[in-house]
Amino acid sequence: KNEVEQSPQNLTAQEGEFITINCSYSVGISALHWLQQHPGGGIVSLFMLSSGKKKHGRLIATINIQEKHSSLHITASHPRDSAVYICAVTPMDSNYQLIWGAGTKLIIKP
Amino acid sequence: DSGVTQTPKHLITATGQRVTLRCSPRSGDLSVYWYQQSLDQGLQFLIQYYNGEERAKGNILERFSAQQFPDLHSELNLSSLELGDSALYFCASSVGAYQETQYFGPGTRLLVL
Repeated sequence: KNEVEQSPQNLTAQEGEFITINCSYSVGISALHWLQQHPGGGIVSLFMLSSGKKKHGRLIATINIQEKHSSLHITASHPRDSAVYICAVTPMDSNYQLIWGAGTKLIIKP
Repeated sequence: DSGVTQTPKHLITATGQRVTLRCSPRSGDLSVYWYQQSLDQGLQFLIQYYNGEERAKGNILERFSAQQFPDLHSELNLSSLELGDSALYFCASSVGAYQETQYFGPGTRLLVL
């Protein structure tokens, strides 16, 4: 079992829909990261969070440390949101590198 | 634009050859990370340098090596290339040595024929 699991693996939705991508992890962490990889390959860091909730534009990330779970939400989704969304965690032991999820491929249809 | 630059953007070479990928981190960032992403695969961490010193090593093959120079730019050397080395190679940088927000470069797409 992977230490970081994302669901769903693939998600197709219509423009305007509310999107939720989930990330569950099995190790103790000091932080969780959400990143976006565009179809052209470029990777952008969206959020780094260790508790609670962060919001940036139409993107919202939440984390529940006790449940070892995080969600990334996209409100009023748009075709330009189509990308792979990647969850990664920073384990408590700072000698370890980020542990990466496999990514969720999101397609928003107009 | 993340502020991280990578050259070249594309590279086509033959099996058995050696190539060098270059990365310049964001101004002020001391850490450089290298990742490999094969087709339809997730990111695989290769190696991290912090202020010129190797900080952490991941799944980096013995045929691959890297270094970080005094001006903090980094190079990833890939030798005795095989078809399976074809991938996107990303460089990322961060301010410190630990796992804070990483800023990714645009990647170098390597094709080994």
